Amino acid sequence: GAGVSQSPSNKVTEKGKDVELRCDPISGHTALYWYRQSLGQGLEFLIYFQGNSAPDKSGLPSDRFSAERTGGSVSTLTIQRTQQEDSAVYLCASSNPRGSHEQYFGPGTRLTVT
Amino acid sequence: AQSVAQPEDQVNVAEGNPLTVKCTYSVSGNPYLFWYVQYPNRGLQFLLKYITGDNLVKGSYGFEAEFNKSQTSFHLKKPSALVSDSALYFCAVREGLNTDKLIFGTGTRLQVFP
Repeated sequence: GAGVSQSPSNKVTEKGKDVELRCDPISGHTALYWYRQSLGQGLEFLIYFQGNSAPDKSGLPSDRFSAERTGGSVSTLTIQRTQQEDSAVYLCASSNPRGSHEQYFGPGTRLTVT
Repeated sequence: AQSVAQPEDQVNVAEGNPLTVKCTYSVSGNPYLFWYVQYPNRGLQFLLKYITGDNLVKGSYGFEAEFNKSQTSFHLKKPSALVSDSALYFCAVREGLNTDKLIFGTGTRLQVFP
């Protein structure tokens, strides 16, 4: 079946512009996660959605970052007034907490802020 | 609080030799433990998990991991390394009950030399 998809695969933007990153999780997965990874480094947790519960936003680095998940499926991560330190690969994952538990990752969006 | 540690930033091994990538954890209650692999310029791929049952877990690409409760470890192993195993490996532990949110280790870069 289809895996987690993310778009765009690459995004180059100028400092100060807003960007939107999209994630399509695996159908039926109620949990969705966003992570950030800088240059082959570790994963930085950003935000977690689980069903209809309030999202866990504890990892968002500043109020310039926000995310929403519409209809319990597609999610959009928005970064306002981008800064050069926002340059990274943004990874999305989904899982089925009532099933196998492991997270399935998308290919990521590489964001470059110039 | 739950945590996971990968004490080695990099592991070097010759092709054909056995490899071990170390992971230790700290959790309250029974742990759910995972290994993921990230090949260059790719998203993370699930390798294997321990939830319950046999302490030796077998996963993809010939990898296995041994859950050791007394040593609070979940080391990743492979009897004979391949050059194509060269990648970044992440250990992760579930954050708590009723969630698939994971806490990831900092990652270990495995380099297999021909």
